[in-house]
Amino acid sequence: NAGVTQTPKFQVLKTGQSMTLQCAQDMNHNSMYWYRQDPGMGLRLIYYSASEGTTDKGEVPNGYNVSRLNKREFSLRLESAAPSQTSVYFCASSGLQDQPQHFGDGTRLSIL
Amino acid sequence: SQQGEEDPQALSIQEGENATMNCSYKTSINNLQWYRQNSGRGLVHLILIRSNEREKHSGRLRVTLDTSKKSSSLLITASRAADTASYFCATAPGGFKTIFGAGTRLFVKA
Repeated sequence: NAGVTQTPKFQVLKTGQSMTLQCAQDMNHNSMYWYRQDPGMGLRLIYYSASEGTTDKGEVPNGYNVSRLNKREFSLRLESAAPSQTSVYFCASSGLQDQPQHFGDGTRLSIL
Repeated sequence: SQQGEEDPQALSIQEGENATMNCSYKTSINNLQWYRQNSGRGLVHLILIRSNEREKHSGRLRVTLDTSKKSSSLLITASRAADTASYFCATAPGGFKTIFGAGTRLFVKA
């Protein structure tokens, strides 16, 4: 039972490069989320997808784009990476809004 | 801004002792959730308490909710070294837009 799978686990980028973080869940959940976690802080919501075909901005969406590819997959794209986007990125899913979320183990992203 | 704020920021106790951490929030909620994060891992859901509940238990965990004070507490009884982790409260006043606090880092000494 894989739950939520994120790839890659680690990545180093140069300023201005682009990349896509992948997330897939096998729990048939409707809703998916992308968060970032900076040292000593809680998670901040970047984007979420309430259901397949919809996406909405969270607290810190600037510099990111998302795609809900299908019910299982939700990707996060950095078009032009900046050092301020160095962080740990977590993907999560839930069956319904306001319900427990299941998290992946994160992608550790460093931008030089 | 953070909806949930945990207190204390860090807590160090001996194995066998109880650990209490608190969370305050700002707006009305439908429920409040507590999560645990072990070092280098994702968050794991511990317990959900609804706005019409005052107390909830799950194993060694006890959660209380006081909606009049907009606060919640998480009590871990008889702590073990394996309880060493960060603990976060979370609310979703806008439905999907979940807001996490900065967390309490718990260290349980064997």
